[in-house]
Order: sequence, then C-alpha cells, then structure tokens
Amino acid sequence: RKEVEQDPGPFNVPEGATVAFNCTYSNSASQSFFWYRQDCRKEPKLLMSVYSSGNEDGRFTAQLNRASQYISLLIRDSKLSDSATYLCVVNKGGGSNYKLTFGKGTLLTVNP
Amino acid sequence: SQTIHQWPATLVQPVGSPLSLECTVEGTSNPNLYWYRQAAGRGLQLLFYSVGIGQISSEVPQNLSASRPQDRQFILSSKKLLLSDSGFYLCAWTTSTDTQYFGPGTRLTVL
Repeated sequence: RKEVEQDPGPFNVPEGATVAFNCTYSNSASQSFFWYRQDCRKEPKLLMSVYSSGNEDGRFTAQLNRASQYISLLIRDSKLSDSATYLCVVNKGGGSNYKLTFGKGTLLTVNP
Repeated sequence: SQTIHQWPATLVQPVGSPLSLECTVEGTSNPNLYWYRQAAGRGLQLLFYSVGIGQISSEVPQNLSASRPQDRQFILSSKKLLLSDSGFYLCAWTTSTDTQYFGPGTRLTVL
C-alpha cells in the first residue's frame, strides 16, 4: 500500500458542481493531515488542516476517519478559480512528526 | 510574518555542470527546513531536511547535497548535474504545528 494514495483524476466539473476528493494513508501513527492546492507551475499552498472532528472553511469541508485511515475533501459550489491540483498530505508520525508525505495529487478543472 | 525566498526562479544548465540553489527564510528562528523535488508529472519527493545549523538529513541517495550555513539559509548543491536532476525544486519550512510553507521554487532544466 502506498504511503498516501489519492484519486488519480483528473476531474472535470462544471461551475457550481460539488466535487469530492478521497485519500488513504498507510501509517497508522500519522497525526497531522492536510490538504494543499498547487496551481500549474507554482508552489503548493496550504488549503486546510484536517482535524478528527472534521472541519469546514467556507465551501471546503475536510474529514478524517482514523479507523479507516481515510481523508476527504469536499468542494461545494465550485468556482473557476478552484481549478488546481489538490494534494493530500500526511505526517510520518512517531519520531518523524516533522516529515510529511505528499500524495501525487488530483487535478481538478472547473469549466464555465 | 514569515516569508521564504528562493533563487533563481528558473535555471537551464548543461549536464555535468555544478548547481547551487539558495533558500532563505525571514520572520522566524530555528525553523525546520526542507528541500523537495517535483519531477514532471510526479509527486513531491523529499530530498533533505534540517533541524538546525549544520544538521542535514538525506532522504534519498543521489548526486545532490545540502548545507545549512546559517539558521535561516538552506543551500542545495551538486558537483555534476545529471539529466534526471531536472525538475521543480521547492524549499519549505515548518511551524511548530507541522504545517509546511513553500517557497516559490526553482525550475531546473538540465540539457
């Protein structure tokens, strides 16, 4: 099992659609979870941290299921500006908390 | 607020030439610093990380090296570049909450 595995994509959706990204991780000792977005030819930028209780930031909702080692990101009412690659990120846990593992990303294109 | 700088932004180098990429962080002390590489169509690969001056850990064997001569300076080097060294090189720093923030990156093409 890969350390962090994401939907391969790409996703093409119309404006206003709801889109969900899924991610699984293999290390049960991982303690920190994030979603980053990366625009074409740019650096990754933090979108949101993911907490056990789930968290929401405007149109974005992230959820974590530790038992299933599964993370999700839901985007509602998608905008053209949401077009980007979404990266699922997990820390290595244990004595390597400060090391992160990045998924390969899922490309989202929102069409007018 | 903290900012992270990388230069150069783009670089085209011949095979066998040396490399030096620099990263500096402002607005924080004693950060953890990281070098990543993102090859075309691939995910981010951690190359090196540093938890303090002179402390470098290598994640993968390769012809690259890293140094941290000052608290907020991280340098990636190579004596002889290979074609496979082409990619997008990203420097990052970590907060106490493990959240990593990336610099703008250097796009390296080795010909």
